[in-house]
Amino acid sequence: AQKVTQAQTEISVVEKEDVTLDCVYETRDTTYYLFWYKQPPSGELVFLIRRNSFDEQNEISGRYSWNFQKSTSSFNFTITASQVVDSAVYFCALTLSGAGSYQLTFGKGTKLSVIP
Amino acid sequence: NAGVTQTPKFQVLKTGQSMTLQCAQDMNHNSMYWYRQDPGMGLRLIYYSASEGTTDKGEVPNGYNVSRLNKREFSLRLESAAPSQTSVYFCASSERPLANEKLFFGSGTQLSVL
Repeated sequence: AQKVTQAQTEISVVEKEDVTLDCVYETRDTTYYLFWYKQPPSGELVFLIRRNSFDEQNEISGRYSWNFQKSTSSFNFTITASQVVDSAVYFCALTLSGAGSYQLTFGKGTKLSVIP
Repeated sequence: NAGVTQTPKFQVLKTGQSMTLQCAQDMNHNSMYWYRQDPGMGLRLIYYSASEGTTDKGEVPNGYNVSRLNKREFSLRLESAAPSQTSVYFCASSERPLANEKLFFGSGTQLSVL
């Protein structure tokens, strides 16, 4: 069985602070994919990143960066110089690879509030 | 650029009533999904349609039925609503029928069953 744990239920930071959202996953498979989705107050989930289990390179996209560490089964997300527009619920998710696999397992989400 | 469109956005039902949630995507995607989101929980898959003409159960299918009307449309039906089905429902689509595909979500339907 797969499991995704986002231990931080809610985080509040002051604008321009850096913040890291933690994601720890469990799977017995060696081939899998990890995702982060953002759910702003409008409600619609938006895809942020997908990473496969064979690619442990960290990724940076503007103020966003992701740290994937298989040794600790973690896929953490850092926002640098946070802005009010970053306020949202962020979900980490895990799925197995291959045809016929449709189960995307979501964590419970971390609500980030960026205070001006 | 409509993407994934869900209707209605809000709905209140009485226990035992039936209703259908509608979903349409204009991205020519093959696969479509219905998820539910409950407070303090992640999203859980109700049903999915890997391609036109096929539907399969997800993690929490009980009390629901689906219809893949055509490539664009995927509806979710509650035959006899129960308070436990109070939730926010999201429709999503992906280009290919693989779970590792990027999902595009609709804006959600907030359903309350009294």
